[in-house]
Amino acid sequence: DQQVKQNSPSLSVQEGRISILNCDYTNSMFDYFLWYKKYPAEGPTFLISISSIKDKNEDGRFTVFLNKSAKHLSLHIVPSQPGDSAVYFCAATADSNYQLIWGAGTKLIIKP
Amino acid sequence: EADIYQTPRYLVIGTGKKITLECSQTMGHDKMYWYQQDPGMELHLIHYSYGVNSTEKGDLSSESTVSRIRTEHFPLTLESARPSHTSQYLCASSSSSNRSPLHFGNGTRLTVT
Repeated sequence: DQQVKQNSPSLSVQEGRISILNCDYTNSMFDYFLWYKKYPAEGPTFLISISSIKDKNEDGRFTVFLNKSAKHLSLHIVPSQPGDSAVYFCAATADSNYQLIWGAGTKLIIKP
Repeated sequence: EADIYQTPRYLVIGTGKKITLECSQTMGHDKMYWYQQDPGMELHLIHYSYGVNSTEKGDLSSESTVSRIRTEHFPLTLESARPSHTSQYLCASSSSSNRSPLHFGNGTRLTVT
């Protein structure tokens, strides 16, 4: 049973526009959420995180929104740039030992 | 520059062979992890360690074993490789600070024929 779901395997966005990547979760005990970015043949790199006590966290062009009642979070990238083309993973944890539960990723393609 | 290194990057090996995937980090992190990931799928935790001489199995059942004799080194061993072990193996580390992000190596792509 997947506790973290990224329902869009891929997303194509025009350069300069906003990219919105979505993530749903089922475990109401999750209290910390992260987004990672992965280029081909490289490991994932940490992008941004959010605690369940917040509903928004912003870092430059990246903003993560958390809707606890809907068990939904989203990552907004604006403006989208060619270098943003990558696979984006959503991950969540409820564990003080920090065991992450991962989504299957969304491949973002930025079109010139 | 502090980093996390995995070798080899790619490995093609025959069924029944013993293999060790190497992972080293220069950041002095106490926590280290091994994940398995197939294309288009989520990452699954197979082993983790919170310090020297500490190892635990993760959520995904795995026939591999790990050791943590030194802080910086966390090798993963498969005693007898099988085609079902074909996958990408990702090593990661993190500091002991509460919920510090994981730093990943570039992975080992293993193919067992």
